[in-house]
Amino acid sequence: GQQLNQSPQSMFIQEGEDVSMNCTSSSIFNTWLWYKQEPGEGPVLLIALYKAGELTSNGRLTAQFGITRKDSFLNISASIPSDVGIYFCAGQPMETSYDKVIFGPGTSLSVIP
Amino acid sequence: DTGVSQNPRHKITKRGQNVTFRCDPISEHNRLYWYRQTLGQGPEFLTYFQNEAQLEKSRLLSDRFSAERPKGSFSTLEIQRTEQGDSAMYLCASSRGEHGYTFGSGTRLTVV
Repeated sequence: GQQLNQSPQSMFIQEGEDVSMNCTSSSIFNTWLWYKQEPGEGPVLLIALYKAGELTSNGRLTAQFGITRKDSFLNISASIPSDVGIYFCAGQPMETSYDKVIFGPGTSLSVIP
Repeated sequence: DTGVSQNPRHKITKRGQNVTFRCDPISEHNRLYWYRQTLGQGPEFLTYFQNEAQLEKSRLLSDRFSAERPKGSFSTLEIQRTEQGDSAMYLCASSRGEHGYTFGSGTRLTVV
């Protein structure tokens, strides 16, 4: 079945540093989504990408839909303590007829003040 | 409308008991999803409703699990004869078919 891989698994960075994480798949996806989850809460949508090559920003966050449609990256600039959390990539497989979404295992981000 | 609401937030139950969770989606969203999330993992798809019709069930959803969405609004997820392996966060999400899902805060189930 479809599977998403995320790297790195975890990151420890200094406040103010930029962060980059990515997500890859062995199959083609129609949509890429990036979510953030904080302890005890559900995932919150950060950025949605719908076209190959699309580059979208949301404040300090920037994400891109890979040209091959098998990968995506998320960058966070000038990290702050509230960026701490687990970041999940998620994608809608090409062969599904509705918006079923598959999630990656997540990248855990820790920001050291 | 304040988003997707899930109740209860936490549930502790003894092995073998039945439990039921409720999800109230965003009112104008016709699509509703249940996911399960275990510690250190991403959410795993369980089932999907479009209005009141249950259109897909994951093989993760054993015979002990049943989900309903009787009037196309709120949904319930029932687990019968709970097992320790059922301990997880159960997440509900809703959408209109674009712009990604909106998740609730989840119900954390602990089976002792």
